[in-house]
Amino acid sequence: QVQLQESGPGLVKPSQTLSLTCSVSGDSISDGSYYWNWIRQPAGKGLEWIGRIYPTGGTNYNASLESRVTMSVDTSKNQFSLKLSSVTAADTAMYYCARDISGWYGRFDAWGQGTLVTVSS
Amino acid sequence: QSALTQPASVSGSPGQSITISCTGSSSDVGAYKFVFWYQQHPGKAPKLMIYDVNNRPSGVPDRFSGSKSGNTASLTISGLQAEDEAEYYCSSYTSTPSLVLFGGGTKLTVL
Repeated sequence: QVQLQESGPGLVKPSQTLSLTCSVSGDSISDGSYYWNWIRQPAGKGLEWIGRIYPTGGTNYNASLESRVTMSVDTSKNQFSLKLSSVTAADTAMYYCARDISGWYGRFDAWGQGTLVTVSS
Repeated sequence: QSALTQPASVSGSPGQSITISCTGSSSDVGAYKFVFWYQQHPGKAPKLMIYDVNNRPSGVPDRFSGSKSGNTASLTISGLQAEDEAEYYCSSYTSTPSLVLFGGGTKLTVL
């Protein structure tokens, strides 16, 4: 059974870059036909899709965040990562990584437990 | 791209049925079969309950069903149980540009 686990700093200063990693176990990122995604959720609010990455490194990002987002994949470590630059308090949220089993249509069948990132000085 | 529109809250008594609507546009919900529903209990990650409008993943009770008409998708839960109390989110694929949209979420209260 696939498991995903987010990791990274829980506190980031305004204007700095948020960096998170998602470690995948029970499935090989490089073997499947899946896209790997980042999704966030501010406290008490709804879900926002951030973007997706394919094992070969191809990416798609939410247009509202595209100028600040970079995703990467390390198949040797079975991990993928998120970088969000120039963060503000509005980027404070629970960040989830998730597997899209449909390819890229948004069928997220496996999620990490989430990691809370707070942007504050 | 705007988020999909869901009612903020719905409620029902145990054993009853409820329906949660999810309204999008002809560019997302109305255009594709790729509509999904997620259940989220407090402090937990979302769980996929319905995929491709009306299909249930293995392990999801058949009390949960989905449908779509035009630009509006719906999630129906029959035979409500206390454990169904949670937040429910719809989502849809859209190709312009290629991305995933979520609804604002609906809080289900089992009275």
